[in-house]
Amino acid sequence: EDQVTQSPEALRLQEGESSSLNCSYTVSGLRGLFWYRQDPGKGPEFLFTLYSAGEEKEKERLKATLTKKESFLHITAPKPEDSATYLCAVQANGNNDMRFGAGTRLTVKP
Amino acid sequence: GAVVSQHPSRVICKSGTSVKIECRSLDFQATTMFWYRQFPKQSLMLMATSNEGSKATYEQGVEKDKFLINHASLTLSTLTVTSAHPEDSSFYICSARGGSGVYTGELFFGEGSRLTVL
Repeated sequence: EDQVTQSPEALRLQEGESSSLNCSYTVSGLRGLFWYRQDPGKGPEFLFTLYSAGEEKEKERLKATLTKKESFLHITAPKPEDSATYLCAVQANGNNDMRFGAGTRLTVKP
Repeated sequence: GAVVSQHPSRVICKSGTSVKIECRSLDFQATTMFWYRQFPKQSLMLMATSNEGSKATYEQGVEKDKFLINHASLTLSTLTVTSAHPEDSSFYICSARGGSGVYTGELFFGEGSRLTVL
């Protein structure tokens, strides 16, 4: 069965303090790994899709990387507005849906 | 990205009543939509896959007679929580893939509907 494990569960950073969030996964043939941002009381907002090991994608202060077992979401010099829950999800080959991890709640203090 | 709209955003109902939640794809056609449920500080749990013009596919443990899904058009799927009870209180979110014709994989989510059953 496909599994997605995110760590840490919660992360508190000072503004400007860079860090990384981890997403470990097991899947029977990866079709795609996805990162989302979710604000309280809102639906998830799409950030990145990664398809194969070695792939990297960047958007503003965020950079996502992928290996055969895990993905990292690197946050460089975060700002308070980056505070949110970051969700990781995987889609397996032959499947139409996604399986989500429990998320990492990020708080960035000014 | 593709836009998915969900309504209502919040609903409070009495125990025993039924509640309908609508999910619309605004700028694309979605043959498949997905319904998720999220409890506080927990991840999204897939409830069912909604297929236009056919029966929904439910995940194990999800009661199909309690959570009725209808996908009558390419832009609208509805979830009806029948005879709602307090334990059905949750955040329900729908999603769909964009309809560009080129697979990119990502799902686009609605704003979510917070259901509170008294």
